[in-house]
Amino acid sequence: DAEITQSPRHKITETGRQVTLACHQTWNHNNMFWYRQDLGHGLRLIHYSYGVQDTNKGEVSDGYSVSRSNTEDLPLTLESAASSQTSVYFCASSRTSGPTGELFFGEGSRLTVL
Amino acid sequence: GQQVMQIPQYQHVQEGEDFTTYCNSSTTLSNIQWYKQRPGGHPVFLIQLVKSGEVKKQKRLTFQFGEAKKNSSLHITATQTTDVGTYFCATDSGGSNYKLTFGKGTLLTVNP
Repeated sequence: DAEITQSPRHKITETGRQVTLACHQTWNHNNMFWYRQDLGHGLRLIHYSYGVQDTNKGEVSDGYSVSRSNTEDLPLTLESAASSQTSVYFCASSRTSGPTGELFFGEGSRLTVL
Repeated sequence: GQQVMQIPQYQHVQEGEDFTTYCNSSTTLSNIQWYKQRPGGHPVFLIQLVKSGEVKKQKRLTFQFGEAKKNSSLHITATQTTDVGTYFCATDSGGSNYKLTFGKGTLLTVNP
């Protein structure tokens, strides 16, 4: 069955370290997204991509970057982790077809920055 | 981008009682999607509404899209403990814009 997987599921790191969260989907979806979820804020969009070599900033992109070298993967990198980036991160994907298709979410990656 | 406000933020009910969460926007929405997230889980798509005044039902869940396409609601009849979780509404900006903006969600707890 097609799926979307995130790794690691849990990570503890120190302030200033670089961290990469992986996201891999086998749906063959063109659209991929990274959200962070914090209490009281719901789901906020970090970065998104509509296809290979395409990346776009979301509403909370500062301190994060993504790259899209193939259809299946959209890794999220925290260049220099900060305590404010402690959060649960969700990767999601969707089809390119109108109207907007449903998002398929990964299981989430819980990141703690000490 | 589009913004949607969800109320209430929290709702605690006795099992068997009804539950409603509302999603409101100051601008006309192209569509609205609803997701459910169980505690410790990830959001799961429930439904998408596109048409003005649209009403869709899934067993005990009823979804409505307002006539002006500025609000939506999710109503659960006779809640069960399996309904516990956070319910989110989400919308995009229309056209070829596939990114969704989520409301902050309504956390539903059910007392058995």
